[in-house]
Amino acid sequence: SQQGEEDPQALSIQEGENATMNCSYKTSINNLQWYRQNSGRGLVHLILIRSNEREKHSGRLRVTLDTSKKSSSLLITASRAADTASYFCAIRKTTSGTYKYIFGTGTRLKVLA
Amino acid sequence: KAGVTQTPRYLIKTRGQQVTLSCSPISGHRSVSWYQQTPGQGLQFLFEYFSETQRNKGNFPGRFSGRQFSNSRSEMNVSTLELGDSALYLCASSEGQGWNNEQFFGPGTRLTVL
Repeated sequence: SQQGEEDPQALSIQEGENATMNCSYKTSINNLQWYRQNSGRGLVHLILIRSNEREKHSGRLRVTLDTSKKSSSLLITASRAADTASYFCAIRKTTSGTYKYIFGTGTRLKVLA
Repeated sequence: KAGVTQTPRYLIKTRGQQVTLSCSPISGHRSVSWYQQTPGQGLQFLFEYFSETQRNKGNFPGRFSGRQFSNSRSEMNVSTLELGDSALYLCASSEGQGWNNEQFFGPGTRLTVL
């Protein structure tokens, strides 16, 4: 299965509610990144969290990382219609001395006004 | 600063042809990475260039190649196009090489192979 798998695949919430997305991976990492993609602004980097960090905040975004469980979560608080987008986690995998950047399949978030 | 630009934005080709896509990174950025995005496979890493050298490569056949010029601009070439090559091709730039640098993505080139 593909590393960097998000859960759930799709999420629909009302404006003002919180949205939580999860990401699981299988390899060891030195950092994990979250991205957002919508038709208007393309793919945008949200947060980078390093393996020695457990939690990181950026505005209404909160990312947690549990390296023992090989999982990360992205929380969007007080969601807005503009948060409607697909959210991806991404990791770097080392293979035979080279790197591959692996993106998950994404969570499609729909925020209803 | 201007963002990452990709040309062309849309492209239609037929099977067997070849195509060259171009990416201009943000000024001062020396690393350029390429990704293929399809509904079935999602976002897949193609390769990364830094200082005109390919540093990392994903699992794509040799028909996919790229290069980076001294001004950090990059081109990606796909030869002998197949229907399955239809995808959104994204380019991303970062200041330094490697995963610890934030990547800035361009709008992508939508390639359709008929």
